[in-house]
Amino acid sequence: QVQLVQSGSELKKPGASVKVSCKASGYTFTSYAMNWVRQAPGQGLEWMGWINTNTGNPTYAQGFTGRFVFSLDTSVSTAYLQISSLKAEDTAVYYCAREANWMLDYWGQGTLVTVSS
Amino acid sequence: SSELTQDPAVSVALGQTVRITCQGDSLRSYYASWYQQKPGQAPVLVIYGKNNRPSGIPDRFSGSSSGNTASLTITGAQAEDEADYYCNSRDSSGNHNWVFGGGTKLTVL
Repeated sequence: QVQLVQSGSELKKPGASVKVSCKASGYTFTSYAMNWVRQAPGQGLEWMGWINTNTGNPTYAQGFTGRFVFSLDTSVSTAYLQISSLKAEDTAVYYCAREANWMLDYWGQGTLVTVSS
Repeated sequence: SSELTQDPAVSVALGQTVRITCQGDSLRSYYASWYQQKPGQAPVLVIYGKNNRPSGIPDRFSGSSSGNTASLTITGAQAEDEADYYCNSRDSSGNHNWVFGGGTKLTVL
């Protein structure tokens, strides 16, 4: 069965970096794009962008350029989200979501990133 | 870019039918998908395409679309359907971009 398992919660200080992982299983990793979605506390879902798991080419939504980096390690079927120069407003749950045929069909359980001094 | 607009909150009596709507220009070109999110949990896909349900989603969930409006209908709402519901679709830029609606909080009375 398809599973996306994300890394655990993180508590970081402002200015630090964080790397969130999303390990896929139950399907061929390179056959489906991977998307990243942010949910700030008490807020809705916000699409951050996606990464082509065949080519490794990332695309970032407006507002997620510069400090946000999507990457892959296809040898272990894992996608990564790295955020640098963390700010308090980056505090959120970050989800990875597999894209298939015009839908986001499987989601990771989410990773809470808390930025606080 | 594109926006999808949802009512912030909707309520329904137990066992009754409720429709949650999503409006946006991109819906003239693309089908919406619908996601259910319960507190502290990840979103779950409930409707995609014209009106398709993933395996395990009850048949009381259905989808429809007309013009710039997509709808999620729950026929015979159950207590466990109380959740936030989000629509999403490709945006109208022609690029590989997604956009989400702001979400609708469904209360089952």
